Amino acid sequence: NAGVTQTPKFRVLKTGQSMTLLCAQDMNHEYMYWYRQDPGMGLRLIHYSVGEGTTAKGEVPDGYNVSRLKKQNFLLGLESAAPSQTSVYFCASRWTGVADTQYFGPGTRLTVL
Amino acid sequence: GQNIDQPTEMTATEGAIVQINCTYQTSGFNGLFWYQQHAGEAPTFLSYNVLDGLEEKGRFSSFLSRSKGYSYLLLKELQMKDSASYLCAPLSGAGSYQLTFGKGTKLSVIP
Repeated sequence: NAGVTQTPKFRVLKTGQSMTLLCAQDMNHEYMYWYRQDPGMGLRLIHYSVGEGTTAKGEVPDGYNVSRLKKQNFLLGLESAAPSQTSVYFCASRWTGVADTQYFGPGTRLTVL
Repeated sequence: GQNIDQPTEMTATEGAIVQINCTYQTSGFNGLFWYQQHAGEAPTFLSYNVLDGLEEKGRFSSFLSRSKGYSYLLLKELQMKDSASYLCAPLSGAGSYQLTFGKGTKLSVIP
């Protein structure tokens, strides 16, 4: 049981390049989330999904796209990276119920030059 | 929108007790999470309160007052490893899909 995993752990991009961050969970959770964390800003929600085939915008969605083709995977895409997207990206999955719990992946540190 | 307020930094002594407060203003409140985040690491779940009152889990306890929009995290018998940021996150809105995180309280435990 790996929980929530993220690929890659680190990445450096040049402005204008594209990339996809992969999040995978093996807990059969319906809800999945992508956050970014910047110094002094806290965790901010980019996009989220409440089930396979569904996605929705969070607080800061511009410049990102997502897909949830399989329940266990949630992909975050940057079509044309900008320096403002330099950040640490966290994926999370959530089990809802009496003991509602949201688990985070280890994070991806992205630098855009 | 939501407004979440936590102290930015706190310092406490090893072995002592510390209380980290969180006030929030949300629409459609559905519960509140507390997370611990060590520097350079991912947040880890500490507690979830949906009803008023105190919930205890070992050295950590969390309190919620829905009418006052107020929660606190109580850490007892502080250890050096408790030095971390503590994040308050109310759950709100139709469908209860989104957690909104406060900016966190950085706790430093000193000998």
